[in-house]
Amino acid sequence: KNEVEQSPQNLTAQEGEFITINCSYSVGISALHWLQQHPGGGIVSLFMLSSGKKKHGRLIATINIQEKHSSLHITASHPRDSAVYICAVGGDSNYQLIWGAGTKLIIKP
Amino acid sequence: EAGVAQSPRYKIIEKRQSVAFWCNPISGHATLYWYQQILGQGPKLLIQFQNNGVVDDSQLPKDRFSAERLKGVDSTLKIQPAKLEDSAVYLCASSFSLGGNEQFFGPGTRLTVL
Repeated sequence: KNEVEQSPQNLTAQEGEFITINCSYSVGISALHWLQQHPGGGIVSLFMLSSGKKKHGRLIATINIQEKHSSLHITASHPRDSAVYICAVGGDSNYQLIWGAGTKLIIKP
Repeated sequence: EAGVAQSPRYKIIEKRQSVAFWCNPISGHATLYWYQQILGQGPKLLIQFQNNGVVDDSQLPKDRFSAERLKGVDSTLKIQPAKLEDSAVYLCASSFSLGGNEQFFGPGTRLTVL
């Protein structure tokens, strides 16, 4: 079993829909990261959180430490949101990231 | 603030050739990471530097891969000789220090080995 599990693996939705991507982990963490990767390969860090909730524009990330679960929400989705969204957790020792497999999101106009 | 710079962005070589990638982290970031990302998979950490010292290189195939960060700033990753299975995106990231800091990623170098 992977230490970081994401669901769904693939998600296709229509423009304007509310999107939820889930991440569950089984290790002790210092923080959880949500990152975005476009087809060109570069990775952009969206959020780093260790408790509660963070919001940036149309993106919202929540984490429940007790349940070892995090969600990334996108409101009013747009085709430019199409990308792979990756959940990664930082362990509490040397802080190397443990990566989820990613969720490929396609937003159709 | 300038981000993490990497070059080249793309490289195509034949198997058994050598290749080198360069990374310049964000100014002031002590920790530098090299990742290998094979298509369809998450990034795999190859090596982690703290200043000019290696923190972890346990997943670096040392028979063919080498990396250095001599002055504790920019870094090079070399593959010699390349194999077909080395085709991947090589990502460089940096963070302010070890321990709970956000990692900032460069655009990556896409390597194709023919």
